Amino acid sequence: QSALTQPPSASGSPGQSVTISCTGTSSDVGGYNYVSWYQQHPGKAPKFMIYEVNKRPSGVPDRFSGSKSGNTASLTVSGLQAEDEADYYCSSYAATHNLVFGGGTKLTVL
Amino acid sequence: QVQLVQSGAEVKKPGASVKVSCKASGYTFSTYGIGWVRQAPGQGLEWMGWINTFNGYRNYAQKLQDRVTMTTDTSTSTAYLELRSLRSDDTAVYYCGRVNYSLDFWGQGTLVTVSS
Repeated sequence: QSALTQPPSASGSPGQSVTISCTGTSSDVGGYNYVSWYQQHPGKAPKFMIYEVNKRPSGVPDRFSGSKSGNTASLTVSGLQAEDEADYYCSSYAATHNLVFGGGTKLTVL
Repeated sequence: QVQLVQSGAEVKKPGASVKVSCKASGYTFSTYGIGWVRQAPGQGLEWMGWINTFNGYRNYAQKLQDRVTMTTDTSTSTAYLELRSLRSDDTAVYYCGRVNYSLDFWGQGTLVTVSS
């Protein structure tokens, strides 16, 4: 199972919005509404941010939102804050009955 | 509250095996699977596979399936990951997570270093 494709980097100024894409295939992202997003700060375990494409777990700010069109999912961070600077990973349930992860995107707040 | 607590760091020689534990609390262990993910230094997250804690069904990532075994002990709500024939490129932080078509809760990670 190939990894999902994410841009290696993204950036934005405080208060701006930034969108990170996650491209898969019809056997993963396009075939299931089980796309998730995770935030990882250096030296920390990943944090669960978005599930089932666009749902937020309790405690995640509504500045984080998710969407999907075809084989591509997206994470949008609105009203960027300094603490949003982190690595972001997408994952999808796949036809192999496993999860598949994206390569990760480093978000820089300018 | 849901918690996954992993065992401590390990240093192993090439060719050896390692077994990492993941003790769950705060929920009914058998109602969610446990998945394993690893992260090599400076690299991204790599899915290793998962185990259904109710019926023992296992699904491993293809590249690891001949070297990995995932097990559980439902009496102690603990999941285990064993990786055999260790190589230097197995050096990574290994994470367990609660499976719910995603990983909604994560352990703190276990650093496994493979070095001669």
